[in-house]
Amino acid sequence: GEDVEQSLFLSVREGDSSVINCTYTDSSSTYLYWYKQEPGAGLQLLTYIFSNMDMKQDQRLTVLLNKKDKHLSLRIADTQTGDSAIYFCAESPSFGNEKLTFGTGTRLTIIP
Amino acid sequence: GAVVSQHPSRVICKSGTSVKIECRSLDFQATTMFWYRQFPKKSLMLMATSNEGSKATYEQGVEKDKFLINHASLTLSTLTVTSAHPEDSSFYICSAGALNSPLHFGNGTRLTVT
Repeated sequence: GEDVEQSLFLSVREGDSSVINCTYTDSSSTYLYWYKQEPGAGLQLLTYIFSNMDMKQDQRLTVLLNKKDKHLSLRIADTQTGDSAIYFCAESPSFGNEKLTFGTGTRLTIIP
Repeated sequence: GAVVSQHPSRVICKSGTSVKIECRSLDFQATTMFWYRQFPKKSLMLMATSNEGSKATYEQGVEKDKFLINHASLTLSTLTVTSAHPEDSSFYICSAGALNSPLHFGNGTRLTVT
């Protein structure tokens, strides 16, 4: 079955870049997503990438995909205190109306 | 703004009672909605897939008689936790998506069973 792994914790100084990594095993993963969860809240879709892409940039967010190694990363430039949250990567074989397989989540802590 | 609305955000109920949680897609029609459960400091566990006009598809190990799902319209799915027990206390999150668009999530419901 599908398996999506992330490191559990990441601490970054305010203003530095944060890089959150994710590995997945399902070779049929076509869409890969990054969601943000703040305490007591639901999940906010940050960005997603299709498997035929290597990179996607959206303002402070950069997603890199290495399909050969099944490795996905999310880079947050100029990390701010408001970026403190849990970040989940997820994958699905198609877009919309498909259940997602989530990673374990990475708790990002910002050091002042 | 929010595209998926979940209600209530927080509920406390007595053991043995039932609780209904609503999930609405606000400006799109969702033929499929998903219900997840999240334990403290854990990832999301898919409970069931809610299909409009037909029975829900439950994941292995999820009791369908305990977690009743109804998807009566293209914009509303409900999850009813029947005869709730303290071990049902958890954070429940729904998601919905339209064809060719990513899934969006509700803000979750914190259920506490006393």
